[in-house]
Amino acid sequence: EAGVTQFPSHSVIEKGQTVTLRCDPISGHDNLYWYRRVMGKEIKFLLHFVKESKQDESGMPNNRFLAERTGGTYSTLKVQPAELEDSGVYFCASSEEGHGYTFGSGTRLTVV
Amino acid sequence: AQSVSQHNHHVILSEAASLELGCNYSYGGTVNLFWYVQYPGQHLQLLLKYFSGDPLVKGIKGFEAEFIKSKFSFNLRKPSVQWSDTAEYFCAVKRTGRRALTFGSGTRLQVQP
Repeated sequence: EAGVTQFPSHSVIEKGQTVTLRCDPISGHDNLYWYRRVMGKEIKFLLHFVKESKQDESGMPNNRFLAERTGGTYSTLKVQPAELEDSGVYFCASSEEGHGYTFGSGTRLTVV
Repeated sequence: AQSVSQHNHHVILSEAASLELGCNYSYGGTVNLFWYVQYPGQHLQLLLKYFSGDPLVKGIKGFEAEFIKSKFSFNLRKPSVQWSDTAEYFCAVKRTGRRALTFGSGTRLQVQP
């Protein structure tokens, strides 16, 4: 089966610009998660969707980050406006209820 | 706040050496424990997990981990590493009732041939 797909794999943008990251989960996985790893530190939870609903968004750093999951399928994470400290690797994962995660390869975001 | 500590940030070993990577967590309740690995250029993959039962868990590629509840630890071991084990290893904890994982900061393992 196809895995979790993220794109772009890399993005370099200027401070103040907008970037949208996309995640396509494994088909049929209701749970979708976003995580972020900044500057070689720990991977931190951002939010969790169950189908199209945000179940837990306690990890979202501020209101410059907006996540959506259209129709319970793919998800987007928009950063607007991007700041230097938003640089890092953004991971997406999906899972079926009661099963473990499958992670995507991540999007490396560099804000200059 | 719950935290996960990985004591070794960078480990360099020769092939055939034994490996032990430390992981401690601070949460006192029931937890599920995981080790993930990220090989260069690849996505995070699950090595092994502990939910309940036998505290000695065996995973893929010859890895195992032991859950010691009294020490809040879940150390990863492999008796003999190979060059192909060069990767970054992450310990993660999930609290009962939550879906989110809390990760450690990762340990970069470099195995020299």
